[in-house]
Amino acid sequence: AQSVTQPDIHITVSEGASLELRCNYSYGATPYLFWYVQSPGQGLQLLLKYFSGDTLVQGIKGFEAEFKRSQSSFNLRKPSVHWSDAAEYFCAVVPMNSGGYQKVTFGTGTKLQVIP
Amino acid sequence: DTEVTQTPKHLVMGMTNKKSLKCEQHMGHRAMYWYKQKAKKPPELMFVYSYEKLSINESVPSRFSPECPNSSLLNLHLHALQPEDSALYLCASSPRPFFVTFKETQYFGPGTRLLVL
Repeated sequence: AQSVTQPDIHITVSEGASLELRCNYSYGATPYLFWYVQSPGQGLQLLLKYFSGDTLVQGIKGFEAEFKRSQSSFNLRKPSVHWSDAAEYFCAVVPMNSGGYQKVTFGTGTKLQVIP
Repeated sequence: DTEVTQTPKHLVMGMTNKKSLKCEQHMGHRAMYWYKQKAKKPPELMFVYSYEKLSINESVPSRFSPECPNSSLLNLHLHALQPEDSALYLCASSPRPFFVTFKETQYFGPGTRLLVL
């Protein structure tokens, strides 16, 4: 079955430490890939996206993500976390060649806590 | 202007009430979406409007009634809701319905937090 998985429900990191949030997908062909961030009580903000080409994608707020076809992964990284990065992070996919409407499917999310 | 606005921010309603949620964008986008997000869950698609016409209804109960009066405005009319309908309702827009084909993205509003008593 087609799916997108975020294995970590909750992650705690110290301010200034590096961060990696995992995302794995299971689709017949490589889907289009996105990372969104949602602060408490807020809407979703797009951090970055991958459609094709360079497998290392740069986004806003110092985030980057690397697409690895062999591992069906699209992990989000940041070298040094700031307290303001505390939020919920969603990986999302749109299947390629989905026909009809291009439906966005979200992973279950990873809640990031940043400690001083 | 790259903003999707939603009103109200918060809404409390009884099960017999009729209320409406409003979403607006002035980016010239021709696709607009309603999502429902329960607490600690990812957003789930409810409706898609493509060029002001309803193109997708993800089997949403009829107590939710969407409306797209013009290309900038999207409403969600609520009637006889149940407590389990309490959630954050997110509106989004994209330049075109097949947005990834054109390497475009969706823009989300801040949401309306709905509580049904």
